[in-house]
Amino acid sequence: QVQLQESGPGLVKPSETLSLTCTVSGGSTNTYCWSWIRQTPGKGLEFIGYICHNGDTNYNSSLRSRVTISTGTSKNHFSLKLSSVIAADTAVYYCARASRSYDMIDWFDPWGQGTLVTVSS
Amino acid sequence: QSVLTQPPSASGTPGQRVTISCSGGSSNIGSQNVCWYQHLPGTAPRLLIYANYQRPSGVPDRFSGSKSGTSASLAISGLRSEDEADYYCAAWDDSLSSPVFGGGTKLTVL
Repeated sequence: QVQLQESGPGLVKPSETLSLTCTVSGGSTNTYCWSWIRQTPGKGLEFIGYICHNGDTNYNSSLRSRVTISTGTSKNHFSLKLSSVIAADTAVYYCARASRSYDMIDWFDPWGQGTLVTVSS
Repeated sequence: QSVLTQPPSASGTPGQRVTISCSGGSSNIGSQNVCWYQHLPGTAPRLLIYANYQRPSGVPDRFSGSKSGTSASLAISGLRSEDEADYYCAAWDDSLSSPVFGGGTKLTVL
């Protein structure tokens, strides 16, 4: 059974880079796509982006200039970097496995429990 | 403001049947499949329904999904106290080339 767990700093200063890692247990990033989603009080759930096992990526157009999602040499981790953060980036960040067909995401499952990241000086 | 529209709240008593609606447009629900997620705060969101009405293994058949035109619905029959949670709809949006979500519906079991 695949399980995901987010980790990273809970506090980031404005203008700095938010960095999170998702650890995949019971599976690897050699299959499926791997995504980041956030939940803010004002905007609900918001898709951030994904990276697929073949290296394909897709980012939310409103965040594209600031987002990078990558997998490392370890096939059971993937990461999120969001640069130049502002207070509006304060959110609970979730990682999730995504099923993709015909270049469209069908569903997200499973999800991690989420991690709260606060942007504040 | 979410692309898909859900009522902010819904409620029912144990044993009742409740439905939660999700309204979208031609670029998302009107042309793509709909998913539903259950979220208890502090836990990982859970996939309840995919491809409009399909249930993943382990999801009770008390949960059912449907779609008509640019709207979708999640129905929960035989309501239980453990069903008290937030429910979100989602679909791919052709115009945005990304998945979009509803704002969520908080279900209260009275």
